[in-house]
Amino acid sequence: TQLLEQSPQFLSIQEGENLTVYCNSSSVFSSLQWYRQEPGEGPVLLVTVVTGGEVKKLKRLTFQFGDARKDSSLHITAAQTGDTGLYLCAGEIREDSNYQLIWGAGTKLIIKP
Amino acid sequence: NAGVTQTPKFRILKIGQSMTLQCTQDMNHNYMYWYRQDPGMGLKLIYYSVGAGITDKGEVPNGYNVSRSTTEDFPLRLELAAPSQTSVYFCASSYSARQYQETQYFGPGTRLLVL
Repeated sequence: TQLLEQSPQFLSIQEGENLTVYCNSSSVFSSLQWYRQEPGEGPVLLVTVVTGGEVKKLKRLTFQFGDARKDSSLHITAAQTGDTGLYLCAGEIREDSNYQLIWGAGTKLIIKP
Repeated sequence: NAGVTQTPKFRILKIGQSMTLQCTQDMNHNYMYWYRQDPGMGLKLIYYSVGAGITDKGEVPNGYNVSRSTTEDFPLRLELAAPSQTSVYFCASSYSARQYQETQYFGPGTRLLVL
C-alpha cells in the first residue's frame, strides 16, 4: 500500500505568521501536485513539481519537491485569511502504461484575523 | 465553460435505497473519475473512465457502478445504500492521464448521508 502522509493534520495561526506543511512518502513519485480545497467545493490545483529539488513559487506560497522525489513541502509567508482551506498533496506514480495518483489526507489550515 | 458539474449537491438516503449521482463536463476531456472523501481521509478513487464506453475499477469500487455512454457524462450508481457510503463524492476530469503532470478538474461535490 502506497501512503502519502501530510502533517500537520490541522493548523490554526494568526494572520501574518509563516507556516510550513509537509507531504511525505516512502514511494518515489514522477511528479507531485498540491491542491487547495475550500468548504463545499472540489480541490483546485495550485502547482505541480516534477524534478527532485525543484522549487516553485506562487506569490506567497513556496513549494519544494524533495531531492529523492519522495516528499514535498508548502511554505506560506505572511499568511492571510484567504489562505484558509484544506491543502491536499497528490503523488503521481507511473509504471509502464499504468498511472496512479496517490492522495494525502490533507492539512486543514485556518488563518485567524 | 461550466467545467465539471455535479447533481445533486446534497441527498439523504435510507439504507437499501438506490440513487444515481450525476456528473457532466464540458471540456471534452477523455478521462473522468469518481472519488469519495471521508473526514480526515484522503480522496479514494472509486471508478474511472478513459473514454466513452470504457470504465475501470479504482481503489474502492464495491457497492458502486458506473457507465460512460458519452464523453460528457459519467454517472455513479449506488444500488443498495449502506451507512458506510455516507461521504462526499467528487467527480473529476482530465484531458488525458497519459500526459505527464496531468491536471484533474473537480466538480463541487455531492454530500450523501445514508441513514
